[in-house]
Amino acid sequence: AQSVTQLDSHVSVSEGTPVLLRCNYSSSYSPSLFWYVQHPNKGLQLLLKYTSAATLVKGINGFEAEFKKSETSFHLTKPSAHMSDAAEYFCVVRGGGNKLTFGTGTQLKVEL
Amino acid sequence: NAGVMQNPRHLVRRRGQEARLRCSPMKGHSHVYWYRQLPEEGLKFMVYLQKENIIDESGMPKERFSAEFPKEGPSILRIQQVVRGDSAAYFCASSGGTGVTNYGYTFGSGTRLTVV
Repeated sequence: AQSVTQLDSHVSVSEGTPVLLRCNYSSSYSPSLFWYVQHPNKGLQLLLKYTSAATLVKGINGFEAEFKKSETSFHLTKPSAHMSDAAEYFCVVRGGGNKLTFGTGTQLKVEL
Repeated sequence: NAGVMQNPRHLVRRRGQEARLRCSPMKGHSHVYWYRQLPEEGLKFMVYLQKENIIDESGMPKERFSAEFPKEGPSILRIQQVVRGDSAAYFCASSGGTGVTNYGYTFGSGTRLTVV
């Protein structure tokens, strides 16, 4: 079975400083991993996905994530936070039967 | 391309009533997935359908919940005799095939069900 663990339920950064949202995965085979963002009362938007190609994945809005098999991690980063990045972020792994398994989410707060 | 359309956006039901949630997939997509998000939690898989077929309903509660995706029209998630614990956001996603890493999922904006 596949699972993901988001290590921080809340992260707070100042505008202009780097963002790090941590995610560890568990998978019995080479996983497909995703990061989604959810703004308040909105749907989910795909930020980026890893599908066994390059281990450093670049997404939208300046986000990127690095797949590290040795650490079973897929952390999301951004060099410089913007106020509009404040949202909830979900790390997701694709399992069998096309099911996605979501982490519990990390709420990102961006302060002036 | 209008994306995945869900309606209504908000739905209020009294305990014991029925709730019907609709999802129209993206044009050309024939695979639909329903997920439920309880307050302060991530999304949980409920059911995966193709046209006229339920492929995987392992995440559906055994009673009161049903889903369909008819040949014509939207996919429907139906909750009978709603209880307060059914209050949640229900998201629909669609994809164009089984290779979702290539086709990708597209999510709708969700239906927020409140049971009073």
